[in-house]
Amino acid sequence: DVKVTQSSRYLVKRTGEKVFLECVQDMDHENMFWYRQDPGLGLRLIYFSYDVKMKEKGDIPEGYSVSREKKERFSLILESASTNQTSMYLCASSLSTSDGNTEAFFGQGTRLTVV
Amino acid sequence: DQQVKQNSPSLSVQEGRISILNCDYTNSMFDYFLWYKKYPAEGPTFLISISSIKDKNEDGRFTVFLNKSAKHLSLHIVPSQPGDSAVYFCAASADFGNEKLTFGTGTRLTIIP
Repeated sequence: DVKVTQSSRYLVKRTGEKVFLECVQDMDHENMFWYRQDPGLGLRLIYFSYDVKMKEKGDIPEGYSVSREKKERFSLILESASTNQTSMYLCASSLSTSDGNTEAFFGQGTRLTVV
Repeated sequence: DQQVKQNSPSLSVQEGRISILNCDYTNSMFDYFLWYKKYPAEGPTFLISISSIKDKNEDGRFTVFLNKSAKHLSLHIVPSQPGDSAVYFCAASADFGNEKLTFGTGTRLTIIP
């Protein structure tokens, strides 16, 4: 079974703090993703990575950065947390395939509250 | 611009009946479609998928139908069970070798016992 583990289930941070969200997968997947889920907006892609040290912006990258130094680990960084970054953050991983048809496996999510 | 749309935010269905969840998309490059189920405070879990070369895929109580000309897909659950109560997300991916998923806004399904 694929396991995607996010380091925290719940986090409360202050405005202006630098926040690190960690994600580890154990299935040697090439692709890793960070999404945020907000009511009425579904899941929106923040950043993704196809390989170690590679990163690409998703649909809403502003205010975020990522790091992928090892294949199994993908970190999301909020450089200076703001209240509008209060959200559920979801990490996912998937295998690269020749036809691009693959499902993503998600972690349990991190509920971040910025006060 | 929402490329994947789920126009019904919520749906209530009697236990034992059929649940039909709908999804529309605008990007004609999408060629792979997935449904995910999400319980509160948990990550989404994969349910079923369909490639654009098919118009139907079935897995137990779950069937996904794809109408490419209408850019529409639907998920049928029959019979519906109380454990099916969750938020369902439709997702799509485009391009050869591109595994990035674009998600809809979700439909909250409630199964009434």
